[in-house]
Amino acid sequence: KNEVEQSPQNLTAQEGEFITINCSYSVGISALHWLQQHPGGGIVSLFMLSSGKKKHGRLIATINIQEKHSSLHITASHPRDSAVYICAVSQGGSEKLVFGKGTKLTVNP
Amino acid sequence: NAGVTQTPKFQVLKTGQSMTLQCAQDMNHNSMYWYRQDPGMGLRLIYYSASEGTTDKGEVPNGYNVSRLNKREFSLRLESAAPSQTSVYFCASSIRSFTANYGYTFGSGTRLTVV
Repeated sequence: KNEVEQSPQNLTAQEGEFITINCSYSVGISALHWLQQHPGGGIVSLFMLSSGKKKHGRLIATINIQEKHSSLHITASHPRDSAVYICAVSQGGSEKLVFGKGTKLTVNP
Repeated sequence: NAGVTQTPKFQVLKTGQSMTLQCAQDMNHNSMYWYRQDPGMGLRLIYYSASEGTTDKGEVPNGYNVSRLNKREFSLRLESAAPSQTSVYFCASSIRSFTANYGYTFGSGTRLTVV
């Protein structure tokens, strides 16, 4: 069993819809990261969370440490949000990451 | 621009050839990493360096060596390339800061094909 599981694997939405991507992990963590990878491959860090909630523009990330679960929400989705969203965790005193396999999001106009 | 610079962007090697992937960051981060990304799998750690002068193996280190030349630079060497090393390679750096919005910065990736 992977230490980091994401759902869904693929997600198609219409422009304007509210999007939720989920991440569950099975180990104790020091931080959880949400990353975005566009076609063409570059990876961009969106959030690093150790508790609670963070917001940046239309993106919101939440984490529930007790339930070992995090969600990434996108409000008012747009075709430019189409990308692969990756959840990753770091454990203990290390900054090394263990990655989920990603969620491919397609937002249609 | 501040960030992680990774070269080359593309490379084709013949089996048995050697090459070095270069990575440099100008954000004064202590930790640097090399990851590989393969279809259907999450990124996997090859080697990392928690600070200048130290390196440690990650999940998939076989067939690779690394050098942390100084705080800025962390190179990955394939001594004798194999088709199984065909992958996209990402260098990254990080800073331990729980007040930061994000702690990781990635290079743009190297698409390596071994034939």
